[in-house]
Formats: sequence, C-alpha cells, structure tokens
Amino acid sequence: AQKVTQAQTEISVVEKEDVTLDCVYETRDTTYYLFWYKQPPSGELVFLIRRNSFDEQNEISGRYSWNFQKSTSSFNFTITASQVVDSAVYFCALSEAGGGNKLTFGTGTQLKVEL
Amino acid sequence: SQTIHQWPATLVQPVGSPLSLECTVEGTSNPNLYWYRQAAGRGLQLLFYSIGIDQISSEVPQNLSASRPQDRQFILSSKKLLLSDSGFYLCAWNDRLGNTIYFGEGSWLTVV
Repeated sequence: AQKVTQAQTEISVVEKEDVTLDCVYETRDTTYYLFWYKQPPSGELVFLIRRNSFDEQNEISGRYSWNFQKSTSSFNFTITASQVVDSAVYFCALSEAGGGNKLTFGTGTQLKVEL
Repeated sequence: SQTIHQWPATLVQPVGSPLSLECTVEGTSNPNLYWYRQAAGRGLQLLFYSIGIDQISSEVPQNLSASRPQDRQFILSSKKLLLSDSGFYLCAWNDRLGNTIYFGEGSWLTVV
C-alpha cells in the first residue's frame, strides 16, 4: 500500500524567509508519480508540479523548487523569499502507474506567511 | 484548453434530504473522473473514480453514490444525507495520456 507523510502540520514564517515543506512517501511500485498541490483559503486545489520516479532532477520554477531523492523517499518543496500570498495548505501526493492514476494524499502542511 | 466545473459551490442540506453534486469537464474526451472528499481537518479521501461511461469504482463504503451518464459528466448523489456527509467535495479529472490530475473548484456541503 502507498502512503504519504507530511510531518509538518503547520509552519509560520515571516515574509521573505525561505521555507521547506517535507514530504516522505512509501510505495512498492518502481514507477510512480509525485505531486504537490496548493490549497488557498478558497478551497480549490491548484496543481504545482508532477515528477515521475525516473526523473530525479531537481526543479526550479520562480521562487519554488523541489528536491526529489529516491534514496530517502522524499520529495521536498522549498519556497524562497516567501510572500503572504504563499499562505495556504500544501499537499504532497503519490500515484502509482498501475493504480488507475488515483492519488494518495498526505495530510497537508498549513503554511502561514506573516508580514 | 481543458476546464472542469462543479456545482453548486455551497450547499446546506437537512439530514435525510437528497444530494446531487455535478461536475463537467470540457476540452477533452474519455477523461478519468474522480470524486474526493475533504473532511474537517483537511485530509483528502478518494470516494469514486470512473474510467468511462457507467464504469465507476467505489473506494470506500459510504452513504454516497456516483454516476457518469455522459463521457464528461460525473455526478455525486445521496438519497438521504447524514451529518457525517458534511465536508468539501472535489471533482477531478485527468486524461489517458497524462497522469496529472486537475481539480474543480470544490463544493462545500453542510448537513444540518
């Protein structure tokens, strides 16, 4: 069975600080996909990134970066120079290639960015 | 481009009343469709998924049912709501070529 753990329930930072959201996953499949979604107060889940298990290259998109390490089964998300608009709940998720693309979510990390 | 919409956005229903949440996807064909629920405390749970018309799998036993009468339409229903059905319901889709799942705006259901 697959599992996603986001140990950080809530993180508070001051604007312009860097912050890293942790994600650890478990799966028996060799082919799988990892995701990060952002859920602002409005509730909609906004897709941020997808990474497949064969691509361990880290990715940077503006102030966002992702560190995928298969050796530690982790897919961490870093926001550089955080802003108030980054305040949201962030979910890490996993889907197995043979699992009908169904997502298993972590419990989410509430990020609060304050002035 | 593809879009997904679900409605109503907010619903307050008495216990024992029926429910119908509707979701449609535009700009694609033969999508996989999903219903997720997010109860208080934010965990997301897959309720149903569908790979085609009238092909629906239930992930957890519950008071809800799903139907897919058309290729891009997915409906979540209940004949008699329970208090425990309250939550935030999210419809989602992905296509057969990619694995990224995209979500609708969500529907807030409060059963009173």
